[in-house]
Amino acid sequence: EAEVAQSPRYKITEKSQAVAFWCDPISGHATLYWYRQILGQGPELLVQFQDESVVDDSQLPKDRFSAERLKGVDSTLKIQPAELGDSAMYLCASSLGRGIEIETQYFGPGTRLLVL
Amino acid sequence: AQSVTQPDIHITVSEGASLELRCNYSYGATPYLFWYVQSPGQGLQLLLKYFSGDTLVQGIKGFEAEFKRSQSSFNLRKPSVHWSDAAEYFCAVVGYNNNDMRFGAGTRLTVKP
Repeated sequence: EAEVAQSPRYKITEKSQAVAFWCDPISGHATLYWYRQILGQGPELLVQFQDESVVDDSQLPKDRFSAERLKGVDSTLKIQPAELGDSAMYLCASSLGRGIEIETQYFGPGTRLLVL
Repeated sequence: AQSVTQPDIHITVSEGASLELRCNYSYGATPYLFWYVQSPGQGLQLLLKYFSGDTLVQGIKGFEAEFKRSQSSFNLRKPSVHWSDAAEYFCAVVGYNNNDMRFGAGTRLTVKP
């Protein structure tokens, strides 16, 4: 069964450092999502891509976060500089993205970030 | 915008007992509803979804959920819980004609032997 891949699974960094997370969606999925999940809460959308274009980044803290999906396949989420409050699970999800119908999102295993 | 409330932060049930996890949504039109399960340190796995049609939907691992428009609810049920069901459960809603998924805060399920 096809899955969403993410790496690394765990990342420990010091505040003010830069970190990057990678996501490879299910093959053929045009829509890619990055979520942040703070401990004890549900995931919250950071950014949504349709192919290589950003559809929604209204909740992305753009002063320190950036995301790209240059070839419309895999994606990278970067934080620079990292702050203590960025400690969370970062989840990537993908969906087919080929129509206007509501689609099921499939999630990867996530990257657990700890900022010291 | 749509939103979800999961009233129970933590539930404990005995193995073999029945389970019901509550989910209430807020949305002005027809919602699209999902239940996901998350094991510790893992991503989210889809249990089931409701888009339209029969209001009782069957999912994986023996779970089912019932959509009740009059109560704005989409409660998850399982007749007999297994120890492996211990996890965090998230209800989510998507509004019509968009893919803006909103999650509840989750319910943590503990299963007693």
